[in-house]
Amino acid sequence: QKEVEQDPGPLSVPEGAIVSLNCTYSNSAFQYFMWYRQYSRKGPELLMYTYSSGNKEDGRFTAQVDKSSKYISLFIRDSQPSDSATYLCAMSINAGNMLTFGGGTRLMVKP
Amino acid sequence: DTGVSQNPRHKITKRGQNVTFRCDPISEHNRLYWYRQTLGQGPEFLTYFQNEAQLEKSRLLSDRFSAERPKGSFSTLEIQRTEQGDSAMYLCASTPLAGENIQYFGAGTRLSVL
Repeated sequence: QKEVEQDPGPLSVPEGAIVSLNCTYSNSAFQYFMWYRQYSRKGPELLMYTYSSGNKEDGRFTAQVDKSSKYISLFIRDSQPSDSATYLCAMSINAGNMLTFGGGTRLMVKP
Repeated sequence: DTGVSQNPRHKITKRGQNVTFRCDPISEHNRLYWYRQTLGQGPEFLTYFQNEAQLEKSRLLSDRFSAERPKGSFSTLEIQRTEQGDSAMYLCASTPLAGENIQYFGAGTRLSVL
């Protein structure tokens, strides 16, 4: 079993929908949690960065971390076709440590 | 463009050949990371440097793989005697030593071993 599990999708939604993406993890030592967006044949681009438990909002994006359940989420409001990409969750134990990624969820937002 | 730069973007080679990739991190970023990503999977950690010191290596990094970061600036990743299983995207990321713990990724080098 992988340390970080993520539903691979694909997840297909209509434009304007609220999207929920999730990851579960097994290592309780993880403290830093990130969401990256990756377009086809491009490198990952950071969307959200959270330390420990709690919520963080940035524009249409909200990240939630529940360390007690070992569960993190990313919500995208008013989804746009340009949000179509693969979304990767990532986490690390300490600042500057290697990142452990989920397998990614492919999202398609249809006009 | 002051982001992480990787070259070449795409490398096609025959099995058994040696290949070398280069990564130029963001200026003044002390830490540099290499990851490998296969199709449909998330990136997997290979190794990282703090300045010129290689501090951690994954068990994925077999003895055919070697990475260097002379003078703590750019880094190279060499794969000797390539195998078809080495076909993947090789990603480089960098982050400053202090402050934010955000790894900024380059566009990657896609390796195809025929």
